[in-house]
Amino acid sequence: EEQLVESGGGLVQPGGSLRLSCAASGFTFSTYWMTWVRQVPGKGLECLANINKDGSEEYYVDSVRGRFTISRDNAKNSLYLQMNSLRVEDTAVYYCARDLNYNGPWGQGTLVTVSS
Amino acid sequence: QSALTQPASVSASPGQSITISCTGTSSDVGVYNFVSWYQQYPGKAPKLIIYGVSNRPSGVSNRFSGSKSGNTASLTISGLQTEDEADYYCSSYRTTYTWIFGGGTKLTVL
Repeated sequence: EEQLVESGGGLVQPGGSLRLSCAASGFTFSTYWMTWVRQVPGKGLECLANINKDGSEEYYVDSVRGRFTISRDNAKNSLYLQMNSLRVEDTAVYYCARDLNYNGPWGQGTLVTVSS
Repeated sequence: QSALTQPASVSASPGQSITISCTGTSSDVGVYNFVSWYQQYPGKAPKLIIYGVSNRPSGVSNRFSGSKSGNTASLTISGLQTEDEADYYCSSYRTTYTWIFGGGTKLTVL
């Protein structure tokens, strides 16, 4: 079964940092683009960052560019999102997903709460 | 980045059919056949129900169908069931390796 499992969410103060992880299983991780998507509670979905198969290309939405960094370790079948300079408005459920253009799994999500 | 435009809510009775529209631009829906639709229940992760405009993943009911005309994509659900009551989101690839989502549509099955 193709599966993605996120971890690393939690409560952090404004200005703080957090690193999310996404463990992939059931498919050849290194052959797919990967994506981080977030959802503010009660709101819609927002694609934050994308990374190509070997990790050499990264793309970000304007709201997180310069603060968030997407990366991957194909040897560990893992995707990461390093989040720095966190703001209250970054409070959301964060999902990892495989190649949004095709039929791919999403994780169950991990909640990040930015609050003092 | 502006979101794709979806109606905020639709409602219908069991057994009826509904169509949810998703309007984009000539930079996303109008030029790429990479439109997806997701179903989301409260507190759950989104579930892919349509990809590539009209393709259904294995296990998704054939009551769900997708189409596209110009800058507008559509999701049709036929033979509505109470279990179809959920939020539905469209997404499309947009130039320079970004994806854009619609604001979501709440489907109520009366």
